[in-house]
Amino acid sequence: DAKTTQPPSMDCAEGRAANLPCNHSTISGNEYVYWYRQIHSQGPQYIIHGLKNNETNEMASLIITEDRKSSTLILPHATLRDTAVYYCIVRANNNAGNMLTFGGGTRLMVKP
Amino acid sequence: DGGITQSPKYLFRKEGQNVTLSCEQNLNHDAMYWYRQDPGQGLRLIYYSQIVNDFQKGDIAEGYSVSREKKESFPLTVTSAQKNPTAFYLCASSIVQGYNEQFFGPGTRLTVL
Repeated sequence: DAKTTQPPSMDCAEGRAANLPCNHSTISGNEYVYWYRQIHSQGPQYIIHGLKNNETNEMASLIITEDRKSSTLILPHATLRDTAVYYCIVRANNNAGNMLTFGGGTRLMVKP
Repeated sequence: DGGITQSPKYLFRKEGQNVTLSCEQNLNHDAMYWYRQDPGQGLRLIYYSQIVNDFQKGDIAEGYSVSREKKESFPLTVTSAQKNPTAFYLCASSIVQGYNEQFFGPGTRLTVL
């Protein structure tokens, strides 16, 4: 599976959009981009995933560049409860066992 | 309530003792996973299982053992051979087929004194 690069930390004002970038320049055609988040001392929570089209759900939007070498997770109106570590993961569709490889993630701090 | 449970939340053991961490799921998922997380780090895969009575080593299996006798249960034993066992341990489950999310338990924080 391709490696991802994320900034170690970001701040965001409450009520504003949080835009979390992820670089995955070695992504291959059969790899999906997944986002999870982990609130302190809890298990990670799935947010969203996509292949090449932009995706939106009730939690967030995922924007993937046309060359698929980078993506951005958007939390449209960040709240204090969105403070967490956000992990960007790429995973092949032939990945045996549906395994995920977690990097260091981005620690998002939402401030009042 | 469907979900994945881990117990206990906090566990203390003396050095040299084996300890078993519990993981149970009622989501009818075929696949289950164990991860280890150290402070400020991402998750690392210890073992995973796609079906009852079968499991595979992950990236850091040394010093750990697992069993999968029932679909619902995937206990992890941290043996005395694990050199640095103090960590946060997370269990997860998923459907095997497709690009499906993993559901995580609340974790067990193991401290070896």
